[in-house]
Amino acid sequence: KQEVTQIPAALSVPEGENLVLNCSFTDSAIYNLQWFRQDPGKGLTSLLLIQSSQREQTSGRLNASLDKSSGRSTLYIAASQPGDSATYLCAVKAAGNQFYFGTGTSLTVIP
Amino acid sequence: NAGVTQTPKFQVLKTGQSMTLQCAQDMNHNSMYWYRQDPGMGLRLIYYSASEGTTDKGEVPNGYNVSRLNKREFSLRLESAAPSQTSVYFCASSAWDSNTEAFFGQGTRLTVV
Repeated sequence: KQEVTQIPAALSVPEGENLVLNCSFTDSAIYNLQWFRQDPGKGLTSLLLIQSSQREQTSGRLNASLDKSSGRSTLYIAASQPGDSATYLCAVKAAGNQFYFGTGTSLTVIP
Repeated sequence: NAGVTQTPKFQVLKTGQSMTLQCAQDMNHNSMYWYRQDPGMGLRLIYYSASEGTTDKGEVPNGYNVSRLNKREFSLRLESAAPSQTSVYFCASSAWDSNTEAFFGQGTRLTVV
């Protein structure tokens, strides 16, 4: 069974710092990997989608990488801002159109 | 474009009561999902529907039933609510295409007292 792990569970950084969130998965047979943002009491907002054939995707200050063979993805956030404070989740899409989620990293950016 | 719409947003039930959570998507997606999210547990799949007319159990199906009414709608029913079903419930949808992403509703916060 696919297992997705996110480390650390929580992260606190000062404003302006660059940071990396990690996501690992046990089965490399995935179709894509998706990073989400979740604000307290809200739903999941998709940030970036990386296809299994891709190595990275960028959107503004966000850059996500994928190394399928080692079962790892990272989300890089440049010049963090207090508004980036949220929980970030990764999910892989696998056979049967199934999604497997990590438990998330709770990010706090301190002004 | 509404995306995935869930109703209600909040609900309080007494133990033993029943209710149905509604979900509709307007993206012509084949697959729809129901998840529950609990602190420290992440998102856990309750049921999913790979395509219209099919439903399958996920990781935590006990105490729930689902109906894929048509391609747009996928409902989740609690027949006899229990306090252990207090959670936030999310509906999601995705196209069958392996290259596409999942889209989520805004969630239903359910409290069973």
